[in-house]
Amino acid sequence: NAGVTQTPKFRILKIGQSMTLQCTQDMNHNYMYWYRQDPGMGLKLIYYSVGAGITDKGEVPNGYNVSRSTTEDFPLRLELAAPSQTSVYFCASSVQPNQPQHFGDGTRLSIL
Amino acid sequence: AQRVTQPEKLLSVFKGAPVELKCNYSYSGSPELFWYVQYSRQRLQLLLRHISRESIKGFTADLNKGETSFHLKKPFAQEEDSAMYYCALSGGITGGGNKLTFGTGTQLKVEL
Repeated sequence: NAGVTQTPKFRILKIGQSMTLQCTQDMNHNYMYWYRQDPGMGLKLIYYSVGAGITDKGEVPNGYNVSRSTTEDFPLRLELAAPSQTSVYFCASSVQPNQPQHFGDGTRLSIL
Repeated sequence: AQRVTQPEKLLSVFKGAPVELKCNYSYSGSPELFWYVQYSRQRLQLLLRHISRESIKGFTADLNKGETSFHLKKPFAQEEDSAMYYCALSGGITGGGNKLTFGTGTQLKVEL
């Protein structure tokens, strides 16, 4: 099993550009999460989903959008990239909210 | 509000020395606590959780509700323990447990 797969691994964007960070999991987990990790900081929750068709905001949702059309996929969309969104983005999934989360390798995003 | 504090950004110990990574939390209900680890060039992964009360790779962690702490300990550090360690808290299913709150992490460096 691949677990949680994120693409791309690295990306450089110009200010104002848009892009979608892809996340897919093959464990049939209902719960999926997007985090960002800034240098020297812990992971902060951007959005999460409790199942297909259901999403909710986390701590730092501004500037991002998500969708969950299938159990497997949970893409994160940046509409108008800003330098403040330069970060490492992690996707995770879990079978239940209080169960351990499985993480992807992360996407390192730089906005210049 | 949930909060996790890891006071040390970097902890350097010699091989064979005891290790204690500190974690304190703030939460009004009954928390569920986890330690996650990220080895160099690997994804974030679960190390242990307090509810299972087990020892993983020689590490243990005891939840102390009186001191609101969940310190990670190992009696004899090994070189392969060098990694980034994150303490995380979940409020559980009944307590807004759809997310984990992470500490800022402690980089453990085991020197020969």
